Amino acid sequence: VQLVESGGGLVQPGKSLKLSCSASGFTFSSYGMHWIRQAPGKGLDWVAYISSSSGTVYADAVKGRFTISRDNAKNTLYLQLNSLKSEDTAIYYCARRWYFDFWGPGTMVTVSS
Amino acid sequence: DIQMTQSPSSMSVSLGDTVTITCRASQDVGIYVNWFQQKPGKSPRHMIYRATNLADGVPSRFSGSRSGSDYSLTISSLESEDVADYHCLQYDEYPFTFGSGTKLEIK
Repeated sequence: VQLVESGGGLVQPGKSLKLSCSASGFTFSSYGMHWIRQAPGKGLDWVAYISSSSGTVYADAVKGRFTISRDNAKNTLYLQLNSLKSEDTAIYYCARRWYFDFWGPGTMVTVSS
Repeated sequence: DIQMTQSPSSMSVSLGDTVTITCRASQDVGIYVNWFQQKPGKSPRHMIYRATNLADGVPSRFSGSRSGSDYSLTISSLESEDVADYHCLQYDEYPFTFGSGTKLEIK
């Protein structure tokens, strides 16, 4: 099992970014997937979940700004981040399954002018 | 939202110690509590699921327990590789919520 996030970087407040999580070593289409974030020096913060049938749930802090999606043909999970705020600065992790059994190494998003 | 109150926030420990970390749920979450280990610069590792079940490959010195709304992670005979941050998670109800974390440090 391998999950690898990408797409992070430095972005100005109000701008957008799209993160990807490339999955391998398992049947991606059969599993729900999460995005979780961790601000520098802080704890873990659940962001969003997409089921194997593409049903979605979001944390209140990102609802209406972030969109989770998946492309099963490409074995890839996405997180579209819009209207970014400084408080969105964090490492963003993807994790497999409803109960978070495997995590990727994360990608850093820095929101700053 | 369900609050997971984790304690202590940090612990100074010695090798060979038995260590217990606790999370208290603000409402009933049943068995849906996980524990994760996170080493510096690394992503979290799944250690315990459904409150008491050891994840694959996790040493048997780790265990999870539940007493009412209190969930505990116990490490028996602490080894140097166990020095890390530990996080609890409730996944009974959205939004899923994590505890604030416990940092283990060597005395």
